[in-house]
Amino acid sequence: AQSVTQPDIHITVSEGASLELRCNYSYGATPYLFWYVQSPGQGLQLLLKYFSGDTLVQGIKGFEAEFKRSQSSFNLRKPSVHWSDAAEYFCAVGRGGYNKLIFGAGTRLAVHP
Amino acid sequence: DAGVIQSPRHEVTEMGQEVTLRCKPISGHDYLFWYRQTMMRGLELLIYFNNNVPIDDSGMPEDRFSAKMPNASFSTLKIQPSEPRDSAVYFCASSSSQGDTEAFFGQGTRLTVV
Repeated sequence: AQSVTQPDIHITVSEGASLELRCNYSYGATPYLFWYVQSPGQGLQLLLKYFSGDTLVQGIKGFEAEFKRSQSSFNLRKPSVHWSDAAEYFCAVGRGGYNKLIFGAGTRLAVHP
Repeated sequence: DAGVIQSPRHEVTEMGQEVTLRCKPISGHDYLFWYRQTMMRGLELLIYFNNNVPIDDSGMPEDRFSAKMPNASFSTLKIQPSEPRDSAVYFCASSSSQGDTEAFFGQGTRLTVV
């Protein structure tokens, strides 16, 4: 069955610290992978996506993610977190084209000053 | 483009009433999705359309839920009758089958059934 696992429900980091959010997936074919961010009361905004090619992808707001097929992972990273990064982050897997997405449970990020 | 537009943003209704949520996808997109977000179940796909035709409604929880897409620029999700357990945030998203694109989400409708 297709699934996405985000092992960390809550993460707290200090402003300026580095960040890594974990995502593991189970998918029968070559996955299309996404990271979305949701601020309180808002919709989902795409941070970055991987479809093919370079396994290290750059996104908006200084985020990057690395696709590792051998580990079935697509972890999200940021070298220095800002207070405005506090939000909930969702990893998702889908097929190309029509993008029927399967979401992970999300990781809520808190940033301490 | 203004993005995916959902209305209303908030809806409070009494149990047993009919609720209609509305969505305007991004112009030119040929796929439209309805998702529901709850604390217990997270984000789950309810139904999606391609070229206004429902493709997969296996995520629709019960017959009380129905969705339509009468044209390329409008879709509705209806709950009749509504129940307190339907309280959730409902998101509409759209995407294009042309090229490698992602789904764009609306701001969501927060539904509270009392």
